Amino acid sequence: DSGVTQTPKHLITATGQRVTLRCSPRSGDLSVYWYQQSLDQGLQFLIQYYNGEERAKGNILERFSAQQFPDLHSELNLSSLELGDSALYFCASSPSDNRLPTRLNIQYFGAGTRLSVL
Amino acid sequence: GQQLNQSPQSMFIQEGEDVSMNCTSSSIFNTWLWYKQDPGEGPVLLIALYKAGELTSNGRLTAQFGITRKDSFLNISASIPSDVGIYFCAGQLVFSSGSARQLTFGSGTQLTVLP
Repeated sequence: DSGVTQTPKHLITATGQRVTLRCSPRSGDLSVYWYQQSLDQGLQFLIQYYNGEERAKGNILERFSAQQFPDLHSELNLSSLELGDSALYFCASSPSDNRLPTRLNIQYFGAGTRLSVL
Repeated sequence: GQQLNQSPQSMFIQEGEDVSMNCTSSSIFNTWLWYKQDPGEGPVLLIALYKAGELTSNGRLTAQFGITRKDSFLNISASIPSDVGIYFCAGQLVFSSGSARQLTFGSGTQLTVLP
């Protein structure tokens, strides 16, 4: 158990809908990262939050957004869903942001949310 | 952007055999990480490498950070059934200031261990 909790584990929805994925980081971790894993793309970094603020953006679509709340949990909002959005969405957390050396800022991953858009 | 080529894509081996997989990059990284993902789970860190030429072991796993800083390999010796899973490499560029870019992941190697 990594200590990172993601809910729900599975989500089935229809095209055009909006969903919210939730992530609770490890106790004490200030950074949360969101990744998308699809069959043909591997793990793609979407966005990072550090202590409530957006810190880095990757290949995140404009239809997707995220936020980190004062209690440090994070939510990833996916709207106007398309078939191609079906994927595993992972959240990871680390103690700090990228200013800390990697050896002190290892990312720990949750078990993921499997999104199926029908 | 930075690209990581991981090979092979999949491997079928007999229990007890050794396994080798590698990642190459079009640009340099100064940190290499190897993760394993079990079915239904998130990636778990296996080994981290922080210096060119570094060779690091974790039990039956050995990983090396290539001298050119553009490649890394992972070896698993005497494979066992629980080695089954997807292995990912990840590279990271860390600046002299200490700040770092995000992790770039390889596409994964699916390992199947046959009894």
